[in-house]
Amino acid sequence: TQLLEQSPQFLSIQEGENLTVYCNSSSVFSSLQWYRQEPGEGPVLLVTVVTGGEVKKLKRLTFQFGDARKDSSLHITAAQPGDTGLYLCAGARAYSGAGSYQLTFGKGTKLSVIP
Amino acid sequence: NAGVTQTPKFQVLKTGQSMTLQCAQDMNHEYMSWYRQDPGMGLRLIHYSVGAGITDQGEVPNGYNVSRSTTEDFPLRLLSAAPSQTSVYFCASSYSREVYGYTFGSGTRLTVV
Repeated sequence: TQLLEQSPQFLSIQEGENLTVYCNSSSVFSSLQWYRQEPGEGPVLLVTVVTGGEVKKLKRLTFQFGDARKDSSLHITAAQPGDTGLYLCAGARAYSGAGSYQLTFGKGTKLSVIP
Repeated sequence: NAGVTQTPKFQVLKTGQSMTLQCAQDMNHEYMSWYRQDPGMGLRLIHYSVGAGITDQGEVPNGYNVSRSTTEDFPLRLLSAAPSQTSVYFCASSYSREVYGYTFGSGTRLTVV
């Protein structure tokens, strides 16, 4: 059972269009992170949201954490070809009894922005 | 700063062979993890460490061993490689107990034939 569901799985849009990627779960997370991954590279952190209802902006990217801390969205305004990549959401939650938090990843949204 | 360094970048193994994937970070991070990334499966946690001398299993630990003798290094050992271990492996580190962002290495692409 996938703990974090991302949608859509694939997205191909024209340059200048807006888009939203969703990350949903039935579990509560202490924080939720968004990463972008390019081919042949590791994921790179974009943002971490911690508080329910929190909204963070990173240039043309807007991230929102749901009030119940179970879901999140990423909205890109006026997409550019440089936004192309795999977008991953990851929820942090306590793992085993070690008192540590670990990340659970969604399967990702592959975004292609066509010039 | 080098960040998280993984070696090798690519590796081909025969079934039954063993090998060690190396991971080193120079950020003095206490928290380190190994993930594998497979098509359609996303990133899955193999093993993690909360500090030198302390390791624990993640979601898919079978067939892998880890140790953490220093803060900087967190090697992943494949005991007897199987085709099911063909994957891209990522090492990641973080300074925060509550995981306020991981820094990932660039990955090791492993093929087991």
